[in-house]
Amino acid sequence: QVQLVESGGGVVQPGKSLRLSCAASGFTFTHYGMHWVRQAPGKGLEWLAGIWHRGDNANYVDSVKGRFTISRDNSNNTVYLQMKSLRADDTAVYYCVKDRYSGYERRAKFDYWGPGTLVTVSS
Amino acid sequence: DIQMTQSPFSLSASVGDRVTITCRASQGISNSLAWYQVKPGKVPKLLIYTASTLQSGVPSRFSGSGSETEFTLTISNLQPEDFATYYCQKSYGAPFTFGGGTKVEIK
Repeated sequence: QVQLVESGGGVVQPGKSLRLSCAASGFTFTHYGMHWVRQAPGKGLEWLAGIWHRGDNANYVDSVKGRFTISRDNSNNTVYLQMKSLRADDTAVYYCVKDRYSGYERRAKFDYWGPGTLVTVSS
Repeated sequence: DIQMTQSPFSLSASVGDRVTITCRASQGISNSLAWYQVKPGKVPKLLIYTASTLQSGVPSRFSGSGSETEFTLTISNLQPEDFATYYCQKSYGAPFTFGGGTKVEIK
């Protein structure tokens, strides 16, 4: 069965960097786009970034462009989110999400979600 | 970017009620809309995609309709396990923006 397991969360000081990882299994990783979505405490879902199945294209929400970078290692079935210049309002649970599509379709259908990893930005 | 606005922010309903949640897009998005259910401490669950197609395994009391700028999620015969927060999402062309959510609470 599909499994997505995030890691790398924790407490980080404002202005610092953090890299989240998501290990995927149970499906052909190279066929599907992958995304990161977050939910801040008491807030709604926010799509952050997505990467196409071959890793040759990525998209970002404006609020994280230039600070966050999504990437993937198709040889190790892993997707990453590199976050820099972290701020208090980046505090959230970060979810790794599998897309039903590859990315080329420009469509998204988030069919599997990881359990999430908590990132707390605090001094 | 296209904005997604949900209403109401929250609602109270009883088991057996019919509940309707509205999602509006700031520009037409054809039928490129999905609905997700989020329960506290649980992973979000895809309910409906392409505005009205039920995801496999989702009970038929959930239904979606609409196109372009106005969409609805209807839960008929509300069940105890349906008390949750529901989000719409634009599903074509990044950014894949979510609506602000609608919390369905027990009356």
